[in-house]
Amino acid sequence: DIVMTQSPDSLAVSLGERATVNCKSSQSVLYSSNNKNYLAWYQQKPGQPPKLLIYWASTRESGVPDRFSGSGSGTDFTLTISSLQAEDVAVYYCQQYYITPYSFGQGTKLEIK
Amino acid sequence: EVQLVESGGGLVQPGGSLRLSCAASGFTFSSYSMNWVRQAPGKGLEWVSDIRISSTTTYYADSVKGRFTISRDNAKNSLYLQMNSLRAEDTAVYYCARNPIGGAGYFDLWGRGTLVTVSS
Repeated sequence: DIVMTQSPDSLAVSLGERATVNCKSSQSVLYSSNNKNYLAWYQQKPGQPPKLLIYWASTRESGVPDRFSGSGSGTDFTLTISSLQAEDVAVYYCQQYYITPYSFGQGTKLEIK
Repeated sequence: EVQLVESGGGLVQPGGSLRLSCAASGFTFSSYSMNWVRQAPGKGLEWVSDIRISSTTTYYADSVKGRFTISRDNAKNSLYLQMNSLRAEDTAVYYCARNPIGGAGYFDLWGRGTLVTVSS
């Protein structure tokens, strides 16, 4: 099974500053035949279901603000929020869908400093 | 409106059974693979099971294999999860989640969830 590990577990960033969340998979999630990374990012606010932000490691879901971006390949990935807004306070999860069982990182709690 | 609405959660004793339902609307349900994902109180997300368009192909997390059964009724636009031999560690909010067209394994639509509590 693929284990997903996020860092840090929690993060406090000032409004308008950059926030960076890291995600590492225990094996590569890059499928060589199509050169796609099977990695997604989600945002979950308290009392709400998760919301898809990014898929294929760097493709932004429709309607997601462009301050959110994803990067990385193979086993190392990053979610970046370029200029933190108050509404971005949430827990962020990465997920691999390279193979079942699909697996999530443990989550990174993002707060305002 | 495109949405998923779960129901069927509640309090059940250890060893008991429960059947969750997920009603889909606003999209062609039969064209999408579907999943159950759970979240224990204060914890992270755990994928539980998925069922492909054909209904004959299903997958399960090891933690529920042999105890849970996923199924779908495309005529009723509904997804189900039959949960047997429930344990305290199955206590969680259970989300119904859709895979995108094409079947990639990320989740582009989520329901609001239904809470299952396993306790005596």
